[in-house]
Amino acid sequence: DTAVSQTPKYLVTQMGNDKSIKCEQNLGHDTMYWYKQDSKKFLKIMFSYNNKELIINETVPNRFSPKSPDKAHLNLHINSLELGDSAVYFCASSQAWRIGGTGNYGYTFGSGTRLTVV
Amino acid sequence: AQSVTQLDSQVPVFEEAPVELRCNYSSSVSVYLFWYVQYPNQGLQLLLKYLSGSTLVKGINGFEAEFNKSQTSFHLRKPSVHISDTAEYFCAVKASGSSASKIIFGSGTRLSIRP
Repeated sequence: DTAVSQTPKYLVTQMGNDKSIKCEQNLGHDTMYWYKQDSKKFLKIMFSYNNKELIINETVPNRFSPKSPDKAHLNLHINSLELGDSAVYFCASSQAWRIGGTGNYGYTFGSGTRLTVV
Repeated sequence: AQSVTQLDSQVPVFEEAPVELRCNYSSSVSVYLFWYVQYPNQGLQLLLKYLSGSTLVKGINGFEAEFNKSQTSFHLRKPSVHISDTAEYFCAVKASGSSASKIIFGSGTRLSIRP
């Protein structure tokens, strides 16, 4: 099936640990994103990569580091996890945005990774 | 910069009744507008989008939205809701014509359908 897939779906870990969330898309999209959804359902962008190049880097702690080995993958590594990092993390992808170009312009989202830090 | 305001955090509606979920946006440039739906414990799914052209946009599951530039609104409507429409709905905006701009989401509206 063509989709954006994230692993793991659930992640429970202790404070201070380091963890990674993986994301892969087989839609042929050039751009990938990480969003964080807090307990009040608010969605905030964290990072965006276009063809392995970082194009959006919001104000997030530098404990969060994205890595894009190729345009189909965007992984999120988190160091020294804190209680406040507990949230649902969504990966998404879209076709490349080009000025004056055509495209779907919508994002395709993964099903999310629920991270709980205890 | 763009911003999105969803005026209602929760909307309770009886089954088969009509519903409108309100969305207003703010932007100094032209925008694209979106509505996404999130069913419980799932990711977001695109309902519909406005890029240009007709201001009335039809989406999946019988939803439609109308772009009103003068009122900077993009309200979502459905003439008759079903229990299966119970979900969180997000309005979103993106600056048009920019390859690097991001989609900004509103805070969401929880639609709950009563039998």
